[in-house]
Amino acid sequence: NAGVTQTPKFQVLKTGQSMTLQCAQDMNHEYMSWYRQDPGMGLRLIHYSVGAGITDQGEVPNGYNVSRSTTEDFPLRLLSAAPSQTSVYFCASSYSTGMNTEAFFGQGTRLTVV
Amino acid sequence: GENVEQHPSTLSVQEGDSAVIKCTYSDSASNYFPWYKQELGKGPQLIIDIRSNVGEKKDQRIAVTLNKTAKHFSLHITETQPEDSAVYFCASGDTGRRALTFGSGTRLQVQP
Repeated sequence: NAGVTQTPKFQVLKTGQSMTLQCAQDMNHEYMSWYRQDPGMGLRLIHYSVGAGITDQGEVPNGYNVSRSTTEDFPLRLLSAAPSQTSVYFCASSYSTGMNTEAFFGQGTRLTVV
Repeated sequence: GENVEQHPSTLSVQEGDSAVIKCTYSDSASNYFPWYKQELGKGPQLIIDIRSNVGEKKDQRIAVTLNKTAKHFSLHITETQPEDSAVYFCASGDTGRRALTFGSGTRLQVQP
């Protein structure tokens, strides 16, 4: 049972480059989300999805795009990387779209933008 | 929107001592309060949660208490062990909200 799988685990980008962070879950969860984790700031929501074909913005969406073509996959795209996007990114999924059930997190992607 | 504050930001205890981490929340509609443990290089993992109709919940050495009137909840770890060393996050949720709201985290270090 893989749970939530994120790739890559580490990435270094140059300013202006684009890339896609991959996230896949095998638990048939409807709800998926992306967070970024910065020192002293906890986890901040970037984008989320309540099901295939449905996405919406979170707290800090600027500079990121998402899509949800299947229940399993929820990739996060950085359009033009900036040093301010240096962070650790976590993908999460949960069974219910109501915020009262356990969220399962991936191992994270540590991104450095130089 | 909801705001969750977590204290302390760092906590160092001796092995065998107890550790307490406290969180306050602002939205009285919040009804779900999970605690996550994040070990180095890993994603957060749920360790215990409590719902608003319960005042306390225990799971072996871990307990969580909730005071809805005061809008605060706490994590208690007894008989701490070195493997308890990690970053702990509190969070709040509500069925009508788009995501959990997380506290800023507490780095717990258990000294052997």
